[in-house]
Amino acid sequence: EAGVAQSPRYKIIEKRQSVAFWCNPISGHATLYWYQQILGQGPKLLIQFQNNGVVDDSQLPKDRFSAERLKGVDSTLKIQPAKLEDSAVYLCASSSSGQLNTGELFFGEGSRLTVL
Amino acid sequence: AQSVTQLDSHVSVSEGTPVLLRCNYSSSYSPSLFWYVQHPNKGLQLLLKYTSAATLVKGINGFEAEFKKSETSFHLTKPSAHMSDAAEYFCVGNTGGFKTIFGAGTRLFVKA
Repeated sequence: EAGVAQSPRYKIIEKRQSVAFWCNPISGHATLYWYQQILGQGPKLLIQFQNNGVVDDSQLPKDRFSAERLKGVDSTLKIQPAKLEDSAVYLCASSSSGQLNTGELFFGEGSRLTVL
Repeated sequence: AQSVTQLDSHVSVSEGTPVLLRCNYSSSYSPSLFWYVQHPNKGLQLLLKYTSAATLVKGINGFEAEFKKSETSFHLTKPSAHMSDAAEYFCVGNTGGFKTIFGAGTRLFVKA
């Protein structure tokens, strides 16, 4: 079974530039999550999708961050314009749904963003 | 309100000695509980999970955890630490299959 795929693994940009990250979850997983992990901290949920609908985006800085999952499969997270404090690893995770859902998350390797 | 508290931000052990990483939870519902490990520059990997079956859960790499409802705890243990166990460990809770709550993490150092 293929895992959660993320790209790019690394990205370096200047502040005020834009960047986009892509995530392809495990096949059949209805729930997709984007987390931001700043160095030395635990993951912070940015947005959670159930199929192509948003379940929770309460901690997403909507003035600069956006995310979509148009067909309920892969997802894109965009930052525009980037700030220095956006330097972090962006983790994508997915989980199954329905009666067998235990809440276990499957994580990708992450996309490390450095904003200069 | 649901919460997950990892009681130690850092734990240091010598190679070959036991490991104990502590986690307490608070939940109105019977939770699912997980331990994940994160090695440097890597994503999070599931070590083990509790989902209301056996209270003593065995995971990968010799780790295990015991769900104690009376103490609201889910501590992670390993009898003998290995250098490769040095990493960040996260205790994670889930209620109702939708809301996932992370602990703050415990960094494990293993001394030779």
